[in-house]
Amino acid sequence: KAGVTQTPRYLIKTRGQQVTLSCSPISGHRSVSWYQQTPGQGLQFLFEYFSETQRNKGNFPGRFSGRQFSNSRSEMNVSTLELGDSALYLCASTGQGADTQYFGPGTRLTVL
Amino acid sequence: GQSLEQPSEVTAVEGAIVQINCTYQTSGFYGLSWYQQHDGGAPTFLSYNALDGLEETGRFSSFLSRSDSYGYLLLQELQMKDSASYFCAVQSGGYQKVTFGTGTKLQVIP
Repeated sequence: KAGVTQTPRYLIKTRGQQVTLSCSPISGHRSVSWYQQTPGQGLQFLFEYFSETQRNKGNFPGRFSGRQFSNSRSEMNVSTLELGDSALYLCASTGQGADTQYFGPGTRLTVL
Repeated sequence: GQSLEQPSEVTAVEGAIVQINCTYQTSGFYGLSWYQQHDGGAPTFLSYNALDGLEETGRFSSFLSRSDSYGYLLLQELQMKDSASYFCAVQSGGYQKVTFGTGTKLQVIP
C-alpha cells in the first residue's frame, strides 16, 4: 500500500499571502489529521476530518482551515500568512477503529 | 485541556537501556501512544497502550498506569540508529483527537 503523500514538500511564501497544502491518505483510510510542528513546540493539532466532516479542531485562529473530499484527500489552507506560520505541516491518516496514525513526509512552509 | 510532560533530552550509551517517561493530564482518556521521529523525517508509530500494563514490541516496550496518568517507553539494546526524538501522545475526547508532548531527544553515544 502506498503511504501518506503530501504536496508540495517545500513552499516559500511572503507575509499576507495564502497557501493550500494537500494530503492524500493511505487507501481506505477515512480519517485525516493535520499538525503544525515547530522547534520546541512539538506537534500541535490543527484539525481532523472524517468522511468530509471536521470532527475535531485545535486551538488555531480562523486563518487555518481545511476540508476533505469524497475520496478522503484533504487540503488545508492558511490565509493572510504570518512569519510565525513558518513550520512543518504534517498530515496523518488513520484506518477506521484503529489507533495508529500514519504520517506523511510533511510540507515545509517558510514565510518571509 | 490536555497537557503532557516528558524530558526534553536524554543521552544513553549504545547497548544500554533507556526509559523515557511521560505524565499527562487529560479528560476522556482513551490511550497513550509513542512515536519516533528522526531529524528531517516524519513521526512513525511505535506503540499504543489503552490498558494498564506493559506492551512489548521487539526492543521497545511501553507501559501505562492510568491511575497515575503516567507512562514510559523503554528502549533496550540501544543502537546508534535509535538516536531520534520520541513523542508520547494522548488520545482523548473520542475520535482522533490526539495531543502530543513536546518530545524527548534521545542521543545514543558509542
